[in-house]
Amino acid sequence: SQQGEEDPQALSIQEGENATMNCSYKTSINNLQWYRQNSGRGLVHLILIRSNEREKHSGRLRVTLDTSKKSSSLLITASRAADTASYFCATDESGYSTLTFGKGTMLLVSP
Amino acid sequence: NAGVTQTPKFRVLKTGQSMTLLCAQDMNHEYMYWYRQDPGMGLRLIHYSVGEGTTAKGEVPDGYNVSRLKKQNFLLGLESAAPSQTSVYFCASSYLLASTDTQYFGPGTRLTVL
Repeated sequence: SQQGEEDPQALSIQEGENATMNCSYKTSINNLQWYRQNSGRGLVHLILIRSNEREKHSGRLRVTLDTSKKSSSLLITASRAADTASYFCATDESGYSTLTFGKGTMLLVSP
Repeated sequence: NAGVTQTPKFRVLKTGQSMTLLCAQDMNHEYMYWYRQDPGMGLRLIHYSVGEGTTAKGEVPDGYNVSRLKKQNFLLGLESAAPSQTSVYFCASSYLLASTDTQYFGPGTRLTVL
């Protein structure tokens, strides 16, 4: 069953703009991760945020986590054409060692 | 350092045929995973392994078998392929539990079952 659900399904922006993607999940988690997938390629890990963290930064990426609302957001600032990809959130249900991936947000950044 | 590699990259099978997908990692990771990715469905876990000689079922294990005879290799087998198994298959590995650690993904195998 799908634990995380990303929103929106697709997002189209211009270079230089910020892109925000959201992830909602259903049960308690220990950690939440974000991955990127370029077309036809494997997934690449972006960031992991623990349930006791509220915000985390990595370069142009900012991730927030609100465990009371069971949601997370990924913000990409000053987007570039190279950021064009699908972005997935992945969660671990408490007590389980594996990840459950959402369906992803497809981001298109136009020059 | 090749990371995670998958063989083959593409394959077309007829219904009822069998095949084995090979995943290899050179990072000395304990944990390895097989996922399938279908349009609009995201990634779903088929089987995983927490160490050499051990395997466990994931979310969608039916129709697949796996083996982890060597730490660096994780094999996914389809004994009698069905059109519903047409998908892109990804292998991944991690040093620690997936829930606490980065997963490293292979480039994928695109499988079509006619």
